[in-house]
Amino acid sequence: ETGVTQTPRHLVMGMTNKKSLKCEQHLGHNAMYWYKQSAKKPLELMFVYSLEERVENNSVPSRFSPECPNSSHLFLHLHTLQPEDSALYLCASSQGRFGETQYFGPGTRLLVL
Amino acid sequence: GQQVMQIPQYQHVQEGEDFTTYCNSSTTLSNIQWYKQRPGGHPVFLIQLVKSGEVKKQKRLTFQFGEAKKNSSLHITATQTTDVGTYFCAVRDNYGQNFVFGPGTRLSVLP
Repeated sequence: ETGVTQTPRHLVMGMTNKKSLKCEQHLGHNAMYWYKQSAKKPLELMFVYSLEERVENNSVPSRFSPECPNSSHLFLHLHTLQPEDSALYLCASSQGRFGETQYFGPGTRLLVL
Repeated sequence: GQQVMQIPQYQHVQEGEDFTTYCNSSTTLSNIQWYKQRPGGHPVFLIQLVKSGEVKKQKRLTFQFGEAKKNSSLHITATQTTDVGTYFCAVRDNYGQNFVFGPGTRLSVLP
């Protein structure tokens, strides 16, 4: 499945580093999402973009900064993260934003030291 | 906020046995989706249910939406090792917009 790609697949960073996660979808979808998946919690929705505009921000700390330059690309900029931010970060896309089928990327496994 | 529960949290079965996971909501749902995530993988869409009492089948998988549209079940007949993974339900939140994922049921199949 190559409809939604994410890079890097693995990332180790220190708490003072700045890094970015990239997501690209090749499905012609209009909505894109960032989710956080950690070991002991269900999938947590972080951000939703529809037609390149951010429409949802579920009280995510400001050390996570999303960017959606066009409908095919989504970034998550990371700075001064905490060890508890270590998790699998999943990108997803859907045709529309109103709860339609979501197609997930493979995720970026992030470890914050 | 939207409350979604899944039971059981974990299930270990012998290959060939049946398996069922349940998804329960605190509110009436417009629809429900099921996803499967293999170990080390990402969630993959399985199916969407919309109508009250709806039953859909995919080979050995049977999905059912409750009559009151507050719960759903996923039943696997004669499990195989390829069924291993975590099964999530996803329901639309109270505002009818984004989907909220349940905590998932992790299935292990012993050969």
